[in-house]
Amino acid sequence: DTEVTQTPKHLVMGMTNKKSLKCEQHMGHRAMYWYKQKAKKPPELMFVYSYEKLSINESVPSRFSPECPNSSLLNLHLHALQPEDSALYLCASSGSLAGSYNEQFFGPGTRLTVL
Amino acid sequence: SQQGEEDPQALSIQEGENATMNCSYKTSINNLQWYRQNSGRGLVHLILIRSNEREKHSGRLRVTLDTSKKSSSLLITASRAADTASYFCATDFSNDYKLSFGAGTTVTVRA
Repeated sequence: DTEVTQTPKHLVMGMTNKKSLKCEQHMGHRAMYWYKQKAKKPPELMFVYSYEKLSINESVPSRFSPECPNSSLLNLHLHALQPEDSALYLCASSGSLAGSYNEQFFGPGTRLTVL
Repeated sequence: SQQGEEDPQALSIQEGENATMNCSYKTSINNLQWYRQNSGRGLVHLILIRSNEREKHSGRLRVTLDTSKKSSSLLITASRAADTASYFCATDFSNDYKLSFGAGTTVTVRA
């Protein structure tokens, strides 16, 4: 299975809502990532988990809270978001037991709209 | 932070023609990768070239790397409508998990 799955595909939420984005991979990868991508821009790194521990937080506001329950799952909890947080949120993974961490496999993304 | 710059920003070609896009970067790298993104979808890894390699092929893709000029090019030969997408270069330069993405080139292949 060489796929990264993300749910939901689309999410519309109000500024007072709490919601979660989910990501799953079964490739035995040890690093998982959250990216935010605005229209016609490249992905911007938000968080990196390595061996289920948070290793990089790119100064992301606390209204975004990542969680890695196990080596296959990655969540992004959302609370009190702003309209400017509307974007495509991409999950990625990299690094099998025998390989390197370079090549990243991306999920299809969650299109988030904050009203 | 965005280390790579890509040109052109957009490219429109006829089916069957070749498409070439370029990526320049600022600091020494471990490797450089190219990704494709279809509209509103996730990125797909196309090819990785290490800093000690000069050229790499994968199917209709050819990537070159010139570390002295800090630049790379991606050539897509015999383009197809399905090649219509945005293409991003990404540099791995920091020995951690970070990739720095270029701004991207939008390629449109006309039937």
